[in-house]
Amino acid sequence: QSVLTQPPSASGTPGQRVTISCSGSRVNIGRGFVYWYQQFPETAPKLVIYHNDRRPSGVPDRFSGSTSGTSASLTISGLRSEDEAHYYCTTWDDKLSDWVFGGGTKVTVL
Amino acid sequence: QITLKESGPTLVKPTQTLTVTCSFSGFSLTTNDVGVGWIRQSPGKSLEWLALIYGHDDRRYRPPLQNRLTVTKDTSRNQVVLTMTNLDAADTGTYFCSHYETRDHIGFDFWGPGTRVTVSS
Repeated sequence: QSVLTQPPSASGTPGQRVTISCSGSRVNIGRGFVYWYQQFPETAPKLVIYHNDRRPSGVPDRFSGSTSGTSASLTISGLRSEDEAHYYCTTWDDKLSDWVFGGGTKVTVL
Repeated sequence: QITLKESGPTLVKPTQTLTVTCSFSGFSLTTNDVGVGWIRQSPGKSLEWLALIYGHDDRRYRPPLQNRLTVTKDTSRNQVVLTMTNLDAADTGTYFCSHYETRDHIGFDFWGPGTRVTVSS
């Protein structure tokens, strides 16, 4: 059971907007910064959002992040076939003294 | 350009000790602005943070595993080594090392490809 809760799956057609939620608590998302990773099968995770809503260089601007209270969201606007992957949220948990991850969301492009 | 690469055994017997090495380039592990972290992923599962070592040798471990984990660095060789004792089947997975940047709260930004470890007799 992951400390951060994500829906197991999300889907959309090309061009649509998909939003993935990440639910935590006041000792993790409520206090720190949220990060989002994209992972393709058999490859390492890739950082797509840091500091809640910032994009690393090279990440398309169709990826955006936001937080509100103890929840965070990753939105992919203008969904493309190459966005089909697993997405994970993570943040530091003050109570556990641990970097905690969500269970991951598989995004499917229909 | 920051790159990292993990190396280590692919098969380890239960109760044995795992040693995995992260060889990196493109940065210097000498200040506390920078660190190298270890994260693992069991087959078909999510990610699990294990340890983090900063440039000034500060170390952090995942509390439930801290009695089994040791992380060290060799600055001259640009390597970080993770040791995990008393392995069992639950430790099977892919072990990743990652560059960790504290400035601007960038976090774990560059990752190695991972090294797959199977714990089995």
